Amino acid sequence: DSGVTQTPKHLITATGQRVTLRCSPRSGDLSVYWYQQSLDQGLQFLIQYYNGEERAKGNILERFSAQQFPDLHSELNLSSLELGDSALYFCASSQTTASGNTIYFGEGSWLTVV
Amino acid sequence: AQTVTQSQPEMSVQEAETVTLSCTYDTSENNYYLFWYKQPPSRQMILVIRQEAYKQQNATENRFSVNFQKAAKSFSLKISDSQLGDTAMYFCAFMKRPGSQGNLIFGKGTKLSVKP
Repeated sequence: DSGVTQTPKHLITATGQRVTLRCSPRSGDLSVYWYQQSLDQGLQFLIQYYNGEERAKGNILERFSAQQFPDLHSELNLSSLELGDSALYFCASSQTTASGNTIYFGEGSWLTVV
Repeated sequence: AQTVTQSQPEMSVQEAETVTLSCTYDTSENNYYLFWYKQPPSRQMILVIRQEAYKQQNATENRFSVNFQKAAKSFSLKISDSQLGDTAMYFCAFMKRPGSQGNLIFGKGTKLSVKP
């Protein structure tokens, strides 16, 4: 158990819909990352938040957005869903300090768009 | 931009034998971190081992060790005494120096099968 908690574990939704994925980082971790894993694109970095502020942006679509709340949990919002958005979405966290810069992953949220 | 290359899409090894997974990377950074993550059929991403670029000594975690060649930008993973539970996808990953934008850049992965 990495200590990173993601909900829901599985989600099936229709095209055009909007979903929210939730993540609680490990205790003490200030950084939260979102990654997408799909068969054709592999593991892609989407976005990073540090202590409530956006720190880095990767290959995140404009239809996707995220935020980190004062209690450090994070949500990834996916809207106007398309079939190609079906993937495993990972949340990960780290301390982002010189000695604690290892990123730990949650179990992922499986999203199926039908 | 940094890139990570794993040239072996699939490998297999007999139980109790040793196997080495290859990884090369490209970066202009001097201080960075390298990781190997394991993804078993459950799909969870599990940290196997981590190497800090400024450390010359190769990292070791029980049966897992790395051969870090900084000049060659090579970071291979050696699994000794392979066990059936080692069957998984293995991803090599790069991260820039701490305190910066600390996202991981992953290779495409190597699927390792351990055969009884």
